[in-house]
Amino acid sequence: EAQVTQNPRYLITVTGKKLTVTCSQNMNHEYMSWYRQDPGLGLRQIYYSMNVEVTDKGDVPEGYKVSRKEKRNFPLILESPSPNQTSLYFCASIGTEGAGGYEQYFGPGTRLTVT
Amino acid sequence: AQKVTQAQTEISVVEKEDVTLDCVYETRDTTYYLFWYKQPPSGELVFLIRRNSFDEQNEISGRYSWNFQKSTSSFNFTITASQVVDSAVYFCALNNFNKFYFGSGTKLNVKP
Repeated sequence: EAQVTQNPRYLITVTGKKLTVTCSQNMNHEYMSWYRQDPGLGLRQIYYSMNVEVTDKGDVPEGYKVSRKEKRNFPLILESPSPNQTSLYFCASIGTEGAGGYEQYFGPGTRLTVT
Repeated sequence: AQKVTQAQTEISVVEKEDVTLDCVYETRDTTYYLFWYKQPPSGELVFLIRRNSFDEQNEISGRYSWNFQKSTSSFNFTITASQVVDSAVYFCALNNFNKFYFGSGTKLNVKP
């Protein structure tokens, strides 16, 4: 089954304690991305990756890091989380289709609370 | 600058009514893609449609239809004969040059 998995699904942590949210896809997609969803703001792109070792900033990259050492994995790292990073996070991967363009597959989401 | 505006924050209708969700986008690029996603109360994001900037044909899929008008930079979504299961948050999104821009979403409440 084609899917994007994220772990953990729920996380409560304290300010300053480094954490990693993992993301993995089994569709051999080259493009992967992280988003955060906040009430009234929709989804905002944090980082994306066009391929292994190729990453770039989205609209809201401050306070986040990513790495892409393998095609299937795209972890999101918060080195020093702060309360304003409390949010719902989605990982996504994208495969191109014959006519061009992208269909984006989303993971189930990770709800992060930073106290 | 790229931007997607969904001015309707929340809409409530009674089952079987038709409803249109508005989406207005801004981009200076000529090549781009537009999307609609559904987020039901369970929280997952469900892909509904993708449209590229060179294809202005309207599309119909069952009770769903989409109206793309480049002249007004709009990509509106209509649900005909709404059902309770259509209750969700709907997001419009713009993609170009590998980045995605989402609107703030429209919450649709369909009452029985």
